[in-house]
Amino acid sequence: GIQVEQSPPDLILQEGANSTLRCNFSDSVNNLQWFHQNPWGQLINLFYIPSGTKQNGRLSATTVATERYSLLYISSSQTTDSGVYFCAVLDSGYALNFGKGTSLLVTP
Amino acid sequence: EAGVAQSPRYKIIEKRQSVAFWCNPISGHATLYWYQQILGQGPKLLIQFQNNGVVDDSQLPKDRFSAERLKGVDSTLKIQPAKLEDSAVYLCASSQQRGSYNSPLHFGNGTRLTVT
Repeated sequence: GIQVEQSPPDLILQEGANSTLRCNFSDSVNNLQWFHQNPWGQLINLFYIPSGTKQNGRLSATTVATERYSLLYISSSQTTDSGVYFCAVLDSGYALNFGKGTSLLVTP
Repeated sequence: EAGVAQSPRYKIIEKRQSVAFWCNPISGHATLYWYQQILGQGPKLLIQFQNNGVVDDSQLPKDRFSAERLKGVDSTLKIQPAKLEDSAVYLCASSQQRGSYNSPLHFGNGTRLTVT
């Protein structure tokens, strides 16, 4: 299956700071999604972004499919942004294959 | 729109016992997934249904795990007998279409299983 690597594995930010999370994948994809798992375990779909750029409030994502990577930008971070961010890509079996995630802690 | 419903929220059992989890997907969603998430890792697909048929169960430990989706709506996942390494969160997800280019996945809150 397609390998998904995320970096950094852990990140600590002070409230108000900006950050960039990266997702590399080993083969071409036509479906890539970013998720946020909050401290209570709920997985929330942030973006469906197989290519191009999307923005939703303080979050934005860019996928460069030809170079096999995607970036998630968090601007003016808030404590509620804490949690684990997962990148997931569609493999040949039509199911999402998840990376190991980036664990983000935003401190006041 | 109501989200994906799962129950129970938590379950503690002893090894070699059996356990079952229930999932009700978002209304109208044809595809249903069960994922296993071990602490510190990303979710791993166990089984995928398209309506009431199994699409992919290649990573399901079939000697102890079973799943069904009767009538193409609700689904149950069973473990019998449980092992210590089955301790994890079991997540159910659904999407409108299988592998659709614009079909995001929606997850339930999960069932946290502890096997002692």
